[in-house]
Amino acid sequence: QSVLTQPPSVSAAPGQKVTISCSGSSSNVGDFSISWYQQLPGTAPRLLIYENSKRPSGIPDRFSGSKSGASATLGITGLQTGDEADYYCGTWDSSLSWVFGGGTRLTVL
Amino acid sequence: QITLKESGPTLVKPTQTLTLTCTCSGFSVSTSGVGVGWIRQPPGKAPEWLAIVHWDDDKRYSPSLKSRLTITKDTSKNQVVLTVSRVDPADTATYYCAHNHESVRDHYFDYWGQGVLVTVSS
Repeated sequence: QSVLTQPPSVSAAPGQKVTISCSGSSSNVGDFSISWYQQLPGTAPRLLIYENSKRPSGIPDRFSGSKSGASATLGITGLQTGDEADYYCGTWDSSLSWVFGGGTRLTVL
Repeated sequence: QITLKESGPTLVKPTQTLTLTCTCSGFSVSTSGVGVGWIRQPPGKAPEWLAIVHWDDDKRYSPSLKSRLTITKDTSKNQVVLTVSRVDPADTATYYCAHNHESVRDHYFDYWGQGVLVTVSS
């Protein structure tokens, strides 16, 4: 069981918007910034969002992130079939370890 | 540009020690502020963080695996090595190394290697 809680799956139609939640505690999400990772089938995870809401170079602005207290949210607008992937949140924990969420599979119907 | 590449055996027998090497380029593992971590992902499951070594040789381990893990860095080769002792079929996973950005409240893995699939089986 993962330290950070994510919904196992979400789905939406092309062009629509979807949000993915990530819930933690005061020792991790509540105290440190969150990052999000996208894992396309058969590939390594790649950084999608860092420091709660910043996008690395090359990540389209259709992807957004936010955090409030011990919860964070990833938003994806204008869904495309190429967005079908597993999404993971992650952050540092004050127990001096890194923690990941259990992952959310996005299906674009 | 920053790249990382994992190397090591693809098949290991139970009870043996697994040794994985991460060869880094585009940055130095000894540069102030740099960290390199290992993360593994069993088939069909979420990533699991294993360990991280920082530029100043500070090391952190997953509490649940700490007794079996050792992470070291070789500055001359710009490599980071992870050993996992007493492996078990449950250690079957794709193992990734990743460049870590870290400040007081901001930690994230911004560059990842392609991963190496390790199978533990007799």
